Amino acid sequence: DGGITQSPKYLFRKEGQNVTLSCEQNLNHDAMYWYRQDPGQGLRLIYYSQIVNDFQKGDIAEGYSVSREKKESFPLTVTSAQKNPTAFYLCASKRSHYSNQPQHFGDGTRLSIL
Amino acid sequence: RKEVEQDPGPFNVPEGATVAFNCTYSNSASQSFFWYRQDCRKEPKLLMSVYSSGNEDGRFTAQLNRASQYISLLIRDSKLSDSATYLCVVNFPLNYGQNFVFGPGTRLSVLP
Repeated sequence: DGGITQSPKYLFRKEGQNVTLSCEQNLNHDAMYWYRQDPGQGLRLIYYSQIVNDFQKGDIAEGYSVSREKKESFPLTVTSAQKNPTAFYLCASKRSHYSNQPQHFGDGTRLSIL
Repeated sequence: RKEVEQDPGPFNVPEGATVAFNCTYSNSASQSFFWYRQDCRKEPKLLMSVYSSGNEDGRFTAQLNRASQYISLLIRDSKLSDSATYLCVVNFPLNYGQNFVFGPGTRLSVLP
């Protein structure tokens, strides 16, 4: 079955540590997205990638980094510079960034501070 | 300024009731709209896409009013399983491509 796989489901970060969240899709989608969701709030865009080897900052990119070396993969690193990383992180994809088709979501990674 | 606003909720309704949520958006050039359903601690799942005046799928109807820049979601004959948060998503077309903006969501609880 085609879909988006995020791992791990739960992640704990120590002070000063960088952690990387995985997002893989086998939908052959060009565009991929990372969102952050805080309790009771909407989704906010962290980074997006229109195509392999490209990525752009979203609304809240500070303290995060991404790479897009393969079409299928768009990992997100939460760096130590992100002082409030506790949130639900969602990865999404769609066929093309310029398409008006909806996004499809992975099942999320919940990140907490130890 | 990008903005999508939704009825704050929560909406608590009895089983079998009809309930409607509103979503307003600020960009008159928006062309596509979506309603997602999000269960507690889960990812959003697409409920309905709206590209013209509206869409209907079983008990769910979405209606778009471009002049007033709002989209509504109507749920008829509510079921307990409809309890969730409903997210309105609006496409804000920009020079560099489409940009989806999420509303904060409206929480629905269907009570027995």
